[in-house]
Amino acid sequence: QSALTQPPSASGSPGQSVTISCTGTSSDVGGYNYVSWYQQYPGKAPKVIIYEVSKRPSGVPDRFSGSKSGNTASLTVSGLQAEDEADYYCSSYGGINNLAVFGGGTKLSVL
Amino acid sequence: QVQLQQSGPGLVKPSQTLSLTCVISGDSVSSNSAAWNWIRQSPSRGLEWLGRTYYRSTWYNDYAVSVKSRITFNSDTSKNQFSLHLNSVTPEDAAVYYCAKGVNPWELVVWGQGTLVTVSP
Repeated sequence: QSALTQPPSASGSPGQSVTISCTGTSSDVGGYNYVSWYQQYPGKAPKVIIYEVSKRPSGVPDRFSGSKSGNTASLTVSGLQAEDEADYYCSSYGGINNLAVFGGGTKLSVL
Repeated sequence: QVQLQQSGPGLVKPSQTLSLTCVISGDSVSSNSAAWNWIRQSPSRGLEWLGRTYYRSTWYNDYAVSVKSRITFNSDTSKNQFSLHLNSVTPEDAAVYYCAKGVNPWELVVWGQGTLVTVSP
């Protein structure tokens, strides 16, 4: 069982927006602005697309955005494209005994 | 750019030690501004951070509580690589293992290709 809770699936049509949530506690997501989001294609390693809640690494389209409210972080994908179909994972600082914790992942389908 | 190339056996017997190596190109294992992590991914446990090793005038290791009693890291500066050793493995340790670069374990910016490890007699 993963430390952070994500919905198992999400979907949207091309051009639409979809938001994926990531719920933790005040000891991880809620306590620090240390939330990242990863995109993973089947058989590939994860790739960071958001870090420090809302920052995008260079090369990541601005269609991807992140936010946080309380113990819940969110990833929004705007203007959905077929290539966005992938698994998305959130990660957060998890405290001194477990520096990083992950969500269980959300499979995003582009209908 | 930084690349990580993993190697190691894909099959380990129960109770034995799982050992994997990650060779770094484009950076240095002894860099004072980098850290080198191990993560695994399985259907039952999802993504799980296992620990990190880094050099700041001396070597430091941080391990996840879940594996702390069974895991060790070491680094070889002459080969620019770092290694994971997980002893007393059980079928629960079967997973895809990744090495990754990231000072902050929740922000892993470069990943290896992954190694599928099966635990079976």
